[in-house]
Amino acid sequence: NAGVMQNPRHLVRRRGQEARLRCSPMKGHSHVYWYRQLPEEGLKFMVYLQKENIIDESGMPKERFSAEFPKEGPSILRIQQVVRGDSAAYFCASSPPPGQGFINEQFFGPGTRLTVL
Amino acid sequence: AQSVTQLDSQVPVFEEAPVELRCNYSSSVSVYLFWYVQYPNQGLQLLLKYLSGSTLVESINGFEAEFNKSQTSFHLRKPSVHISDTAEYFCAVSDHPGRLYFGRGTQLTVWP
Repeated sequence: NAGVMQNPRHLVRRRGQEARLRCSPMKGHSHVYWYRQLPEEGLKFMVYLQKENIIDESGMPKERFSAEFPKEGPSILRIQQVVRGDSAAYFCASSPPPGQGFINEQFFGPGTRLTVL
Repeated sequence: AQSVTQLDSQVPVFEEAPVELRCNYSSSVSVYLFWYVQYPNQGLQLLLKYLSGSTLVESINGFEAEFNKSQTSFHLRKPSVHISDTAEYFCAVSDHPGRLYFGRGTQLTVWP
């Protein structure tokens, strides 16, 4: 059973470009979470999604950031018009649906390290 | 929102010495508690968790943590560390489905 997969592992963008980060949850998991880790800081919650639904986006910046988890395919975190302050590691996690495991036990991917030049 | 404090950003110890990594959180309402470990350039791996029941929880590789509700703490301990335990350790708290609050992490470095 493959773990949570993220790609790309490293992404370099120039200021003003778009960054698109992908996350494939573990098999059987229908809940996805995105976190951002700034240098020398802990992870900060961004958004919690279920298939085709955003459950909690209280941690998402109000502008330029969006996330989706379509019925088919990976979850996507999109950052438009990137700025240097967006440089960070972005981690995706997934969990099983309620009733099949404790909903908050999240399994993390290896992360995407975004560098904005 | 929960606030999670890891009091030590760096903990250097010698191999086979005991270690304690401290974690305090801000609220005494019902919470779920976790310790994650992160090796360089890798994602976080769940080390152990407290959901309910016994306040002392153990991992398969010798770590243990004790939930202390009155002190709102969840300190991580190991009686004898190995060089392979060198990693960053994150304490996390959840009081809301889907949302984990993380501390800033403690870098444990084990010297031979």
